[in-house]
Order: sequence, then C-alpha cells, then structure tokens
Amino acid sequence: QKEVEQDPGPLSVPEGAIVSLNCTYSNSAFQYFMWYRQYSRKGPELLMYTYSSGNKEDGRFTAQVDKSSKYISLFIRDSQPSDSATYLCAMTTGGFQKLVFGTGTRLLVSP
Amino acid sequence: GAVVSQHPSRVICKSGTSVKIECRSLDFQATTMFWYRQFPKQSLMLMATSNEGSKATYEQGVEKDKFLINHASLTLSTLTVTSAHPEDSSFYICSARKRTVNTEAFFGQGTRLTVV
Repeated sequence: QKEVEQDPGPLSVPEGAIVSLNCTYSNSAFQYFMWYRQYSRKGPELLMYTYSSGNKEDGRFTAQVDKSSKYISLFIRDSQPSDSATYLCAMTTGGFQKLVFGTGTRLLVSP
Repeated sequence: GAVVSQHPSRVICKSGTSVKIECRSLDFQATTMFWYRQFPKQSLMLMATSNEGSKATYEQGVEKDKFLINHASLTLSTLTVTSAHPEDSSFYICSARKRTVNTEAFFGQGTRLTVV
C-alpha cells in the first residue's frame, strides 16, 4: 500500500464547475499538507500549505485536512480552462523530513 | 515569494558525457534541497536530499556515483549526471526549503534531459 493515494484521473469538468480533488494517506504522523499544480513540462507550483486539521481558503481554492480520516481535499470554485493541469498532493511529518507525494490527478476544464 | 531557478531548462547531450544541472534559491536561503526525477505522466520520484555543507542522502536504488549532488552554499545545489545513457533521459526537478523548520518546498522549473 502506498503511503499516499491519489486518483490519477483524468477528471473532466465544464468551465465554472466546482472541482474536488482528494488524497488519502496511511501515516498518521503526517502533519503538514500541500497541494501543488503542475502544468505540462513545468515544475510544480505551490498552491496551498496547511498544518494539521482544518480548512484554508485562498481565492478560488480551499484546502481541507481531516486527520482523523487521513483524508485531504482541494476544492476549486468557478473552475477555468487555465486550471487544467495535474494536481499533486504532498505531505510530511515535519522538521526537514522529505515530502511524500501522491501520483497526481490530471484535471481538464473544458470551455 | 520564494523563487527557485533551475538551469538549463533543456539539454541534449551525447552518451557517455556528463551534464550539470543547477538549482538556485533566488530570494531565500535553502538549508535543504531535493532532487526529483519525473517520467511522463507519472509523479515525482525523489532521488536525493541534500543539505548545505554535507553529503547528499540518496534514495534506495539511486546510484550516487552516477548522480553527483553538491550543495555548496545556502542558495545553490547542483546535480551532475555522469556518463549519461539514453535511459537517463528524463525530466529532473529540484526543490528547496527555507532555512526554518516545517516549511513548504518550492520547485524549480525543471530540466528536460535528452541523451542521444
């Protein structure tokens, strides 16, 4: 079993839809959670960074962490074609420990 | 913001030669830098973790003599692919974390290496 599970997709939605992206994990020691967006042939770009359980909102993006269920989500409101990319979740136990990534979910937003 | 610059973005080299990729944190000091490899439509595979002034820690299965990593300063780490083979062709990405604990990692733009 992988430490972090993420559906690879692709997830296809129409423009304006609310998108829900999710990851589950098995290591209860993870405390720091990140979402990255990666366009084709580019490096990942940090979207959201959260600590422990709870919600965090930034513009059209909302990150949720439920440590009791070992489940994290990224919601994108009013999705745009420019949101079409691969979204990677990542997490770490803290300190200077390495990040553990999900496989990434490919999102396609059609006009 | 936190900017990580990776150079070159694309490189083509001949089999048997070596190629060096640079990763710089432009506006912060990075105690720790990570090097990843990514195959098409796959996630990031961590190759090694480098801490400033010390030897890199390689992940299992990664040849340290082939992938030489140097982290000589708080803003620069380099990955040298030695005696390159066509199977080394891949997308290599670095990331850096700020010089404080429990912070997020910022990524470079990636380097597309093609060995012919």
